[in-house]
Amino acid sequence: DGGITQSPKYLFRKEGQNVTLSCEQNLNHDAMYWYRQDPGQGLRLIYYSQIVNDFQKGDIAEGYSVSREKKESFPLTVTSAQKNPTAFYLCASSISISGANVLTFGAGSRLTVL
Amino acid sequence: DQQVKQNSPSLSVQEGRISILNCDYTNSMFDYFLWYKKYPAEGPTFLISISSIKDKNEDGRFTVFLNKSAKHLSLHIVPSQPGDSAVYFCAATSGGSYIPTFGRGTSLIVHP
Repeated sequence: DGGITQSPKYLFRKEGQNVTLSCEQNLNHDAMYWYRQDPGQGLRLIYYSQIVNDFQKGDIAEGYSVSREKKESFPLTVTSAQKNPTAFYLCASSISISGANVLTFGAGSRLTVL
Repeated sequence: DQQVKQNSPSLSVQEGRISILNCDYTNSMFDYFLWYKKYPAEGPTFLISISSIKDKNEDGRFTVFLNKSAKHLSLHIVPSQPGDSAVYFCAATSGGSYIPTFGRGTSLIVHP
């Protein structure tokens, strides 16, 4: 089945540590995204990538980094510079359907900083 | 500055009745509007979309209405079922930018 796989589903981190969240898709989608969800905040865009070896900052990129070395993979690193990293992280990819850009999301990764 | 607003954080509806979820936007350049449904600890899933050249789109129990002059859209679910209980996000995209802007979501609870 085609889809997006995020791992790990749950992750605990000590303050000062970097962590990397994995996102893999087998949908052959060109565009990939990382969102962060906090209670009452909706979905906020961290980074996105239209093609391999290219990515752009979203609305809340500070303290995060990404890479796009392969079409299928778009890992997100949460660095120690991120002031409030505890959140639910969602990876997505997209294909245009009838002009609308419909995103397919992974199941998410919940990061908790201890 | 929120360009897509969902002003009702939550909505409670009885099973079998109609659920109406509302969304307002400020950017007149938006040309597609989408609704996503999200269960706890899962990723959102696409539900239905509407182009700005239409005023209604229907898919089974789900209908989205668009009022461009009022910059308002709504999602109607008829009849509502307990399995519809989820958070619903409104999203919009504008021509030339495929990055969707999301609202903050409305939590729908359908009780038996």
